Amino acid sequence: EVQLVESGGGLVQPGGSLRLSCAASGFSFSLSWMSWVRQVPGKGLEWVANIRQDGSDKFYEDSVMGRFTISRDNAKNSLYLQLDSLRPEDTAMYYCAKDHTVFGVIDSWGQGTLVTVSS
Amino acid sequence: EIVMTQSPATLSVSPGERATLSCRASQSVISKLAWYQQKPGQAPRLLIYDASTRATGIPGRFSGSGSGTEFTLTISSLQSEDFAVYYCQHYFNWPQTFGQGTKLEIK
Repeated sequence: EVQLVESGGGLVQPGGSLRLSCAASGFSFSLSWMSWVRQVPGKGLEWVANIRQDGSDKFYEDSVMGRFTISRDNAKNSLYLQLDSLRPEDTAMYYCAKDHTVFGVIDSWGQGTLVTVSS
Repeated sequence: EIVMTQSPATLSVSPGERATLSCRASQSVISKLAWYQQKPGQAPRLLIYDASTRATGIPGRFSGSGSGTEFTLTISSLQSEDFAVYYCQHYFNWPQTFGQGTKLEIK
């Protein structure tokens, strides 16, 4: 069974930083594209970033480009998202997600970790 | 960026009836369209990809159709567990964007 467990969320001041982690199990992590998707409470979904199996390709949503960094450690079956220069509009639930074999489709989601940016 | 527009925002349907949800893309995404279901307090769940292929474990009452810019998710006979928010999402190019969602509620 696929399991994705996020951690690292919390309350941070504007301009601050956080590092989100996702521990993956139950599938071949090193063979899967992985993504981070966020959701403002009560609102819709927004793709934040994704990363190729070997980490050689990364894509970012425009509003986080240059501020967020996605990375992975295949030896530890872990996905990361470094959030810098945080803004109030980054407040959201952040989901770790496993891509389907069809690129761009998510077939498994974690339960999410909440990031709140406020002074 | 391709904009995905879902309609209606809220759909009220009685259990046992058919529900039809629509999704429109601002430009063609050919058949690179997925549907997800999200219940309160839960992560989304993949229902349909490639516009009409059901994901593993998804009941046959869920079906998807369409191509290009117009897509439909049909739930043939609503069960109590189907009342949720449904999102469409394209993956034609980056960024892969979602629609704003359709809330399916009990009539």
